[in-house]
Amino acid sequence: TQLLEQSPQFLSIQEGENLTVYCNSSSVFSSLQWYRQEPGEGPVLLVTVVTGGEVKKLKRLTFQFGDARKDSSLHITAAQPGDTGLYLCAGTYNNNDMRFGAGTRLTVKP
Amino acid sequence: DAGVTQSPTHLIKTRGQQVTLRCSPKSGHDTVSWYQQALGQGPQFIFQYYEEEERQRGNFPDRFSGHQFPNYSSELNVNALLLGDSALYLCASSPTGFTEAFFGQGTRLTVV
Repeated sequence: TQLLEQSPQFLSIQEGENLTVYCNSSSVFSSLQWYRQEPGEGPVLLVTVVTGGEVKKLKRLTFQFGDARKDSSLHITAAQPGDTGLYLCAGTYNNNDMRFGAGTRLTVKP
Repeated sequence: DAGVTQSPTHLIKTRGQQVTLRCSPKSGHDTVSWYQQALGQGPQFIFQYYEEEERQRGNFPDRFSGHQFPNYSSELNVNALLLGDSALYLCASSPTGFTEAFFGQGTRLTVV
């Protein structure tokens, strides 16, 4: 059972388009992480957000943590084929229990 | 600095058998968590080890057990394998005070 809901589940766009994916929960997190996973490999950490309302930027990726620390979004500007992958959000509770959403599978077509 | 390493990378077992998966954490990390990821799903939390004890456990049966050694490495054991245990098993390590976790490449277990 996933405690975090990610949407959309699948997203297919053309190179150069912008996109936003969402991560929502009814629980308050002590921190939230975004990961990107390629087929057959482990998730790779992109960012950790801790403070409600926090915004972090990583090149063309912008991550936002909701004010109430129950939701987050990932926005990608001018998507490229290399951005293709499974984007996972993970919420941490009580500093030692991390649970994942089901992920958003992004395909960027050249 | 080696990251999180897992062995083996792939494994095929027969239903009813037992399996042991191994994980070496990132240098300086003392907390190890195990996850099961079925095809097309997000990782599901199995359990977490800290100071050689199981600290947290997800919704997995007792067939899933683990161990952490004094050097912080860890093992995941699964008894009486079922076809539904086929998945990618991921190990993640984190430092004391845990705010984020780093993952290994996973072990792909196939039960036939």
